[in-house]
This record gives sequence, structure tokens and C-alpha cells, in this order.
Amino acid sequence: QVQLQESGPGLVKPSQTLSLTCTVSGGSISHGDYYWTWIRQPPGKGLEWIGYIYHSGTIYYNPSLKSRPTISLETSKNQFSLKLSSVTAADTALYYCATYVDSGFFENWGQGTLVTVSS
Amino acid sequence: QSVLTQPPSVSGAPGQRVTISCAGSSSNIGAGYDVHWYQQLPETAPKVLIHSNSARPSGVPDRFSGSKSGTSASLAITGLQVEDEADYYCQSYDNSLSGVVFGGGTKLTVL
Repeated sequence: QVQLQESGPGLVKPSQTLSLTCTVSGGSISHGDYYWTWIRQPPGKGLEWIGYIYHSGTIYYNPSLKSRPTISLETSKNQFSLKLSSVTAADTALYYCATYVDSGFFENWGQGTLVTVSS
Repeated sequence: QSVLTQPPSVSGAPGQRVTISCAGSSSNIGAGYDVHWYQQLPETAPKVLIHSNSARPSGVPDRFSGSKSGTSASLAITGLQVEDEADYYCQSYDNSLSGVVFGGGTKLTVL
């Protein structure tokens, strides 16, 4: 069973770049079992898919986020990361990393990390 | 405004049956993409409850069932228990948006 753990700063200033890392255990991000995914949930609101990356490097992003997110793999550390540029208060959310399977659902989830955008 | 539409809340008494609907369109559920359901207990990460329209992962009680028809899907919970109080989300894929989409979530209250 793959386990995921998010980490990163809990506070980011407006207009800056949010950076988060997801550490994977119980499986290798170099294998083609999953799409490595970021999802967020603003306080008291619903879930929003941010994007995912395959072990080959193929990446898909939520078009509604324009060109702000960047997802990458750090295979030597068995981690993947999210960078979200030009953040505003609307980007304040609980950020989850997760695994997406070929059947089209998110099988494993991290516990989530809260990121607040505020000066 | 979510691409998939769910009722904001539903409620039922212990032992009763409730259903949660998930309405989509011809570019997602109606295009043949599977629907998946997640349960989010308070202060926890979502957990897959039903995948591929009606499949239950191991460990999920058979009180939970899913179905899909046309451009919509539904989650049924029978024999309601207090511990079922949670938020429930449907999820699918949308080919006009080229991405994964979620419903807005439904809060289940067990009276």
C-alpha cells in the first residue's frame, strides 16, 4: 500500500510561489502504477484537481489554473512536487497529494497540508 | 460552480436509506466516463468509497452502492449509521475540459 506525505511552508505571501513536496513510501514513483497527483480543498469547500504526472514525465494540468502550476518528479528521493506561481488568497487551501490509477480514480491520499496565502 | 452537480446536503435517521445524486453532462458521465465516489470524514482526507460506478474497494461495507445511468450517477447508503456522517464527493473525467472533475460535495447528516 502506497503511503503519501505532504510537506512545505504553511504560509506564503501573495504573488509568490507556493512549493510543496510529496514523499512516497511503499512504492516507486519510477514505476508505471500511478499518476502522481495534486488536489486541493479550500477551507469549507470542495475538491479541485490541480494536475498529475506519470513516471514518463507526461503531465496534465487543470486548464482552469492557467499556466500557474508545475508538477515534477524527484525520482532519486521518491518524491514529487508542486509549484504554484502568483498565488492569491484564493489559493489558500488544504493541499493533498494522491495516486490516480488507470481506472480513473484516486486510490491513495496523503493527509493533506494547509497552505495559507497572506501577507 | 462544479461541473458535476450534487445536492449540498442530505439527511436520514439511523437504519434508513439515503441516496446522493451526481448530475453530469454529455462531456463527462454521458460520454461514458466512469463515476467514482469518495467519503470524507471530518478532519480527514477523502477515501475512495465506490470506484468505476459500482465497485467497492475491499473493506467498504456493502451498505454502500453506486449506480450510473445516462448523464447521472447515484450513491446509495442503506442501514444508515452515525459513523456515516461525512461529506461525499463524486468524480469523473470531462473531455471538453480535458481533466478530472469533482462534484461540489454532499454533507450527510444522520439524525
